[in-house]
Amino acid sequence: DQQVKQNSPSLSVQEGRISILNCDYTNSMFDYFLWYKKYPAEGPTFLISISSIKDKNEDGRFTVFLNKSAKHLSLHIVPSQPGDSAVYFCAASQNTGNQFYFGTGTSLTVIP
Amino acid sequence: DAGITQSPRHKVTETGTPVTLRCHQTENHRYMYWYRQDPGHGLRLIHYSYGVKDTDKGEVSDGYSVSRSKTEDFLLTLESATSSQTSVYFCAIRTTGSETQYFGPGTRLLVL
Repeated sequence: DQQVKQNSPSLSVQEGRISILNCDYTNSMFDYFLWYKKYPAEGPTFLISISSIKDKNEDGRFTVFLNKSAKHLSLHIVPSQPGDSAVYFCAASQNTGNQFYFGTGTSLTVIP
Repeated sequence: DAGITQSPRHKVTETGTPVTLRCHQTENHRYMYWYRQDPGHGLRLIHYSYGVKDTDKGEVSDGYSVSRSKTEDFLLTLESATSSQTSVYFCAIRTTGSETQYFGPGTRLLVL
């Protein structure tokens, strides 16, 4: 049973516009959330994270929003650039555990 | 770069043969993880380690075993490979006190 879900397998956005990637989770015990970016033939790389005590975290062009009541988080990329084209995974964990649960990924294509 | 290497990077094997994948890190991180990535499933945790000789199962551990006899090496063994174990395998490390994982470049395994 998938505890972290990314319901959009793919997303296309024009360069310069906003990209919004969504992620839903089912386990209310999750208290830390991360986004990873993956290029083909490479390992995932950490992008941004958020603790459950916050509802927003920003790092340059990347902002993650957390809505705990809806069990939903989103990643906003503004402005989108062609180099952002990659697969994005969201992940969740419990502070008391060592396991991380990943979504199935969203493939973002930024069109020049 | 968290100093993580995986070997081999590519392997083709036959059903029923044993296979061992190696993850090597150079920075003495306590936590090490093995994931597999498959289309439609994202990244799924196979096994993880929280110290030398300390390991635990993840969500898809059946058919896999692990060993960690040294801090720097985490081995994943498929005792008798099956076609369903054809996948891309990623090793990851995590520093104590941090929720961020750093991934290796991956091993692409094909079981015929």
